[in-house]
Amino acid sequence: SAVISQKPSRDICQRGTSLTIQCQVDSQVTMMFWYRQQPGQSLTLIATANQGSEATYESGFVIDKFPISRPNLTFSTLTVSNMSPEDSSIYLCSVGNQGNEQFFGPGTRLTVL
Amino acid sequence: QKEVEQNSGPLSVPEGAIASLNCTYSDRGSQSFFWYRQYSGKSPELIMSIYSNGDKEDGRFTAQLNKASQYVSLLIRDSQPSDSATYLCAVGGTSYGKLTFGQGTILTVHP
Repeated sequence: SAVISQKPSRDICQRGTSLTIQCQVDSQVTMMFWYRQQPGQSLTLIATANQGSEATYESGFVIDKFPISRPNLTFSTLTVSNMSPEDSSIYLCSVGNQGNEQFFGPGTRLTVL
Repeated sequence: QKEVEQNSGPLSVPEGAIASLNCTYSDRGSQSFFWYRQYSGKSPELIMSIYSNGDKEDGRFTAQLNKASQYVSLLIRDSQPSDSATYLCAVGGTSYGKLTFGQGTILTVHP
């Protein structure tokens, strides 16, 4: 399976600021996804990152709050904008294959003060 | 209404026993089913994929799928303390590539 890295691994940010999380894959992949995992909770899909077009957002998530870029088949970014303490979470990117299997990056642990 | 539900935990089993984890799903059109293991502070790791009715075995793990009952399970034989983790059931629906995750079941294997 692909090797996936994320930067930063963790960060502590102030309320009202923005953070951009990077996801890098060592091979070209068609499907990339961004998830949020709040403390003690399961994974919630934020959006599907589409190469060369706008991301597809799930209900409850909007582009103004979580802008996503996907400039090529190995890289994507997720920005968490105008952060509040409620955005404190682990953010995970994943890549999918033809069998619908998904493989996850190590995650970014975000704390908003 | 939750789309993917897992049996409430935590589940505690003695070392060497069989751990049984269960999951039900609501979308009859679902075609792909997965079990992930997540250690504390780590990201989910795919351990089993199953696509057709019946059993699929991989080492100490057996996944069972019953589409008519909309039910998928994971059996872990000869449980080890290293199996202690949260197990997440994920279901692929009719939207290509998307997975819906259950809330997870915490498994503890005690020596």
